[in-house]
Amino acid sequence: RKEVEQDPGPFNVPEGATVAFNCTYSNSASQSFFWYRQDCRKEPKLLMSVYSSGNEDGRFTAQLNRASQYISLLIRDSKLSDSATYLCVVNPYSGGGADGLTFGKGTHLIIQP
Amino acid sequence: NAGVTQTPKFQVLKTGQSMTLQCAQDMNHNSMYWYRQDPGMGLRLIYYSASEGTTDKGEVPNGYNVSRLNKREFSLRLESAAPSQTSVYFCASNDRGLNYGYTFGSGTRLTVV
Repeated sequence: RKEVEQDPGPFNVPEGATVAFNCTYSNSASQSFFWYRQDCRKEPKLLMSVYSSGNEDGRFTAQLNRASQYISLLIRDSKLSDSATYLCVVNPYSGGGADGLTFGKGTHLIIQP
Repeated sequence: NAGVTQTPKFQVLKTGQSMTLQCAQDMNHNSMYWYRQDPGMGLRLIYYSASEGTTDKGEVPNGYNVSRLNKREFSLRLESAAPSQTSVYFCASNDRGLNYGYTFGSGTRLTVV
């Protein structure tokens, strides 16, 4: 049973374009959601949390659809530096326990000049 | 401003050798985690420690042991390394529960030959 699913890509996108990817999660009781960015051979870094009402941080917009159990990330005016793997991350525990987040396998994004 | 520090960054072991991966955080976080990341598999939780003095198994604990030495340090030990343990290992920490994401160390690349 795959708890967090993402399209692995790669998504090849020209610089300046808008790109969006989704992620689905299986546990309807999941409480919190995140997008992480991981550069090649580096550690994952928190890009943004995903709130129920949707949220924006500069060129990045994250949305949550609890009814359909998916999360989306939209990147506008993409830059070469946005090339990375984007990990969808879910807290599957409604009790707020510390026993670990669940990571998707990531979507690989390549921004082309 | 160190965050989460992992040592070593790279290691090559022979099958059957033992080693300990070290992790330390200076953010006064209660919870610490060990993950492994393999191509096509995503990040998988090995062990975690919700607070000083406690440790629990994650998704893939076989072949590993951990020690939460104090609030700052959480080590991962391979008693008898196997080629299947070739992976990139990440330590992470967080505070205030899983609604706030993790901070990761830079990783240890381990090869078992």
